[in-house]
Amino acid sequence: DIQMTQSPSSLSASVGDRVTITCQASQDISNFLNWYQQKPGKAPKLLIYDASNLETGVPSRFSGSGSGTAFTFTISKLQSEDFATYYCQQYDSLPFTFGPGTKVHIK
Amino acid sequence: EVQLVESGGGLVQPGGSLRLACAASGFTVSRYYMNWVRQAPAKGLEWVSIIYSGGYTYDGDSVKGRFSISRDNSKNTLYLQMNSLRVEDTAVYYCARGRSGGSGGFDFWGQGTLVTVSS
Repeated sequence: DIQMTQSPSSLSASVGDRVTITCQASQDISNFLNWYQQKPGKAPKLLIYDASNLETGVPSRFSGSGSGTAFTFTISKLQSEDFATYYCQQYDSLPFTFGPGTKVHIK
Repeated sequence: EVQLVESGGGLVQPGGSLRLACAASGFTVSRYYMNWVRQAPAKGLEWVSIIYSGGYTYDGDSVKGRFSISRDNSKNTLYLQMNSLRVEDTAVYYCARGRSGGSGGFDFWGQGTLVTVSS
């Protein structure tokens, strides 16, 4: 199975900050990598698919990059509604696997 | 409007069974790959099972041989049959639709249904 790691596991940031989260796959997954946002008590929401494609309706301050085993997720200017947990997910091969998540706290 | 509504969760004893349902509207379940994803209390997301449009299914290692994903095309509904339940299966279970064409992530999710396995 492909293992996904994320760093950091949590971070504190202020509104307006640039936030970057990294995701590492245990083997080459090409660009088969997605990013989700989850708020407490809610279902996850797809933000980025295929490593760098913005899902319809998602603000352009969210972006993703990378391929192979190393990926980056960025929020260019953090907004108050962006405080949440973010997960990467590989779908290169079954079983699909999620990263452990990165919780973005208010500083 | 695309909607997914899960049902069937509840309290069950270890070793028991439960069947979850995910009623879809606004699209045809059989034309997409559909998934179950779970989240144990205060934990991260764990992918559980998939059914492709062609009917192929695959289950994650932690549920293999105990859980079974299926769909009823006439009811446009996805199911997860869960047998031999364990305490560690306690979680909120979400159904999620795969993006059209088989690429990309899970673009629509249900609200989740809580399964509690406890004696």
